[in-house]
Amino acid sequence: EGQLVESGGVVEQPGGSLRLSCAASGFSFDDYTMHWVRQVPGKGLEWVGLITWDGASTNYADSVKGRFIISRDNSKNSLSLQMNSLTTEDTAFYYCAQDSGDLGRSYFDLWGRGTLVTVSS
Amino acid sequence: QSVLTQPPSVSAAPGQKVTMSCSGSSSNIGNNYVSWYQQLPGKVPKLLIYDNYDRPSGIPDRFSGSKSGTSATLGITGLQTGDEADYYCATWDSSLSAVVFGGGTKLTVL
Repeated sequence: EGQLVESGGVVEQPGGSLRLSCAASGFSFDDYTMHWVRQVPGKGLEWVGLITWDGASTNYADSVKGRFIISRDNSKNSLSLQMNSLTTEDTAFYYCAQDSGDLGRSYFDLWGRGTLVTVSS
Repeated sequence: QSVLTQPPSVSAAPGQKVTMSCSGSSSNIGNNYVSWYQQLPGKVPKLLIYDNYDRPSGIPDRFSGSKSGTSATLGITGLQTGDEADYYCATWDSSLSAVVFGGGTKLTVL
């Protein structure tokens, strides 16, 4: 049974930086493209970005491009999201999700429980 | 404003059938696969449908998906109060090189 556990969510000031982590277990982590999805409390889902199984390729939503960086360490079954130049609009629950499809045919059948990032002065 | 358009809410009585739509364009739904997610109150999203109409193991056949052109539809039959949730469609957008979600539809089982 696969599991994803996010960590690192805290209260941070606008303009600050934060690094989220996602620990994977129970499946072959290096077989899967991984994504970050966020959700403002009470609002809808917003895709943040993805990283391919080998870390060779990343894609980002326009809203975070140039500010956020996704990376992975397959030797540690770990996914990361480096968040820079934070704004209040980045306040959300951040979920990591396993992509069981292919690039261009993504679907998420395993989600973490999420970690809350609050950007506030 | 979401790239994919979903009605904000739908409602139906227990035991009845409901459908909810997801409208996009040729750069997303029209040429890519659609997935659907259920998010119960306070819970993590759960995959209901992938590849337009396939159901993961454990998802009852009360849930169905279809696609026609640039629109997709989620259907739920035999509605139960436990189906009250937010439902999201998603797909790849080839122009954006991004996954896009609909704004979500809140299902109320009256």
